[in-house]
Amino acid sequence: GNSVTQMEGPVTLSEEAFLTINCTYTATGYPSLFWYVQYPGEGLQLLLKATKADDKGSNKGFEATYRKETTSFHLEKGSVQVSDSAVYFCALRRGAGGTSYGKLTFGQGTILTVHP
Amino acid sequence: DTGVSQDPRHKITKRGQNVTFRCDPISEHNRLYWYRQTLGQGPEFLTYFQNEAQLEKSRLLSDRFSAERPKGSFSTLEIQRTEQGDSAMYLCASSLTGGRSNEKLFFGSGTQLSVL
Repeated sequence: GNSVTQMEGPVTLSEEAFLTINCTYTATGYPSLFWYVQYPGEGLQLLLKATKADDKGSNKGFEATYRKETTSFHLEKGSVQVSDSAVYFCALRRGAGGTSYGKLTFGQGTILTVHP
Repeated sequence: DTGVSQDPRHKITKRGQNVTFRCDPISEHNRLYWYRQTLGQGPEFLTYFQNEAQLEKSRLLSDRFSAERPKGSFSTLEIQRTEQGDSAMYLCASSLTGGRSNEKLFFGSGTQLSVL
């Protein structure tokens, strides 16, 4: 079955540091890949996505590249801010077709804390 | 866009009691999803509706769980004879089918259930 594995957290960084959160996946076919973010007290929000191999998703300074050869979708940001403190979830959706288009498989989440 | 709203935000109940949660999706969204999230884990898919039809149910959804979306708008999730293992955050999400927009789920803030 499909599964997503994220790096163990929590991750603690100083402001302006470089961020990497690793994500690898197991899936049949050609899944779409996502990063969701959950700020304290809020619902999950889509951060970025990539729907095919070598696609790069980007948003708010975050980037992730769909690497089929390594089955990875690592999240990166060159300079984090205190406001980036949140829980980050990597997720996949199985390939196109079928009725479960919004059925996502999530990783366990990585807590990021950024200090001034 | 007023967002996905869930009620209540918190529910404390005694083992064996029944509980019901409500989700109001974004008004024009025709798909509605329920997920469950336990501490330190990512959300797990429970079930989803397209309009009023429940199209898929996870193996996680035991016979004690029932979900409805009677008029294709709001949805309810009922848990009968609650057990301590039901303690979790129950998340609702909605989306709009058609084109690329159906890839994006909008999540509510969730209902936190504690079973004593």
